[in-house]
Amino acid sequence: QVQLVQSGTELKKPGASVKVSCQASGYTFNIYTISWVRQAPGQGLEYMGWISPYDGNTVYAQNLQGRVTMTADTSTRTAYMDLRSLRSDDTAVYFCARGVYSEPSPLVYWGQGTVVTVSS
Amino acid sequence: EIVLTQSPATLSLSPGEGATLSCRASQNVGSFLAWYQQKPGQAPRLLIYDASFRATGIPARFSGSGSATDFTLTISSLEPEDFAVYYCQQRSNWPYTFGQGTKVEIK
Repeated sequence: QVQLVQSGTELKKPGASVKVSCQASGYTFNIYTISWVRQAPGQGLEYMGWISPYDGNTVYAQNLQGRVTMTADTSTRTAYMDLRSLRSDDTAVYFCARGVYSEPSPLVYWGQGTVVTVSS
Repeated sequence: EIVLTQSPATLSLSPGEGATLSCRASQNVGSFLAWYQQKPGQAPRLLIYDASFRATGIPARFSGSGSATDFTLTISSLEPEDFAVYYCQQRSNWPYTFGQGTKVEIK
């Protein structure tokens, strides 16, 4: 069965960086893009971007351009989301997810979420 | 950016009642709209994609309809496990966007 398993809770100071991992199993990793979605406490969902493990192609939300990098390691079937220059409003649960199709969306398989807290 | 506006913000209903949730897009998204259910502390769960297709394992009491700018998620008869927050999401244009959510609560 398809599974996405994310790395654990992170506590970071403002200005630091965080790298969240998402290990995939149960399907052909290269074929499906991995998307990243975040949810601030008590808020809605924000689509951050996605990566194609096949060719490394990425698309990012404009408000995160310059601070976010998404990568994928096909040898370990793991996707990564690196967010730099953290601010308090980056405090959120970060989810990786896979689509129904090889396209980024709609998102049918989700990781369990990684809590990232940014606080001094 | 396409803005998705969901209504109502909160729906107070009893088990067994039907629920109708609305999602309106600021631009034409064709049929590229999905619905998700989210419970506290959990990841979202895909219910409906491409406006009207039920995802695998989703009960038949969930149905989606609409196209272009107006979409509806209907729950024919609420089960206790259906009380949750529901989000719509478009994939017509990047950035993909979510609505702000409709909370279905027990009356």
